Amino acid sequence: EIVMTQSPVTLSVSPGERATLSCRASQSVSSNLAWYQQKPGQAPRLLIYGASTRATGIPARFSGSGSGTEFTLSISSLQSEDFAVYYCQQYTNWPSSYTFGQGTKLEIK
Amino acid sequence: QVQLQESGPGLVKPSETLSLTCTVSGGSISSSNYYWAWIRQPPGKGLEWIGNIYYSGSTYYNPSLTSRVTISVDTSKNQFSLKLSSVTAADTAVYYCARPYYGESRFDPWGRGTLVTVSS
Repeated sequence: EIVMTQSPVTLSVSPGERATLSCRASQSVSSNLAWYQQKPGQAPRLLIYGASTRATGIPARFSGSGSGTEFTLSISSLQSEDFAVYYCQQYTNWPSSYTFGQGTKLEIK
Repeated sequence: QVQLQESGPGLVKPSETLSLTCTVSGGSISSSNYYWAWIRQPPGKGLEWIGNIYYSGSTYYNPSLTSRVTISVDTSKNQFSLKLSSVTAADTAVYYCARPYYGESRFDPWGRGTLVTVSS
């Protein structure tokens, strides 16, 4: 099983600043990586797939990068609605295997 | 725009079978472009993929759950279902249905989720 490790567990950032979240895979997943945002009481929402492609309707302040085992989600100029939990997910062995990271909580500083 | 909606009992007794259904609206479950999936999230914890099904009936399960899981599809009703047998308190979670793409296999969209509690 491919293990996804996210860091940090909690990230405190002020509104208007930039946030950088990391995700590491235990083995190469190429660019088969997605990022999701989850707010309390809601289902996760797809932000990024293919490591760097924004999903439909996702603001340009969200960007993804990386390939292989190291990935980054960046959020420029944080808005109040961006404070949430973020998960990475690999799908390199679809449709038979998918794993998620444990999540990074982005909180207001 | 495709929407997914989970339904089923919110309380299941230990050792019994958890049964949930996901109804797909706004699109056909028989599309060749997508699989259909179940994912769960224990309270306060992360996400765990349970399994996928294709409209043809082909299934793939998480190895950690494969002995207890069955996912089936009913194309006539545009629904797919989850059965998880011999449940324990550790199976208490919000259960989501979602649509993984065929190829770039991200999950989008997701249902709202339904909380299933295992308790006597």
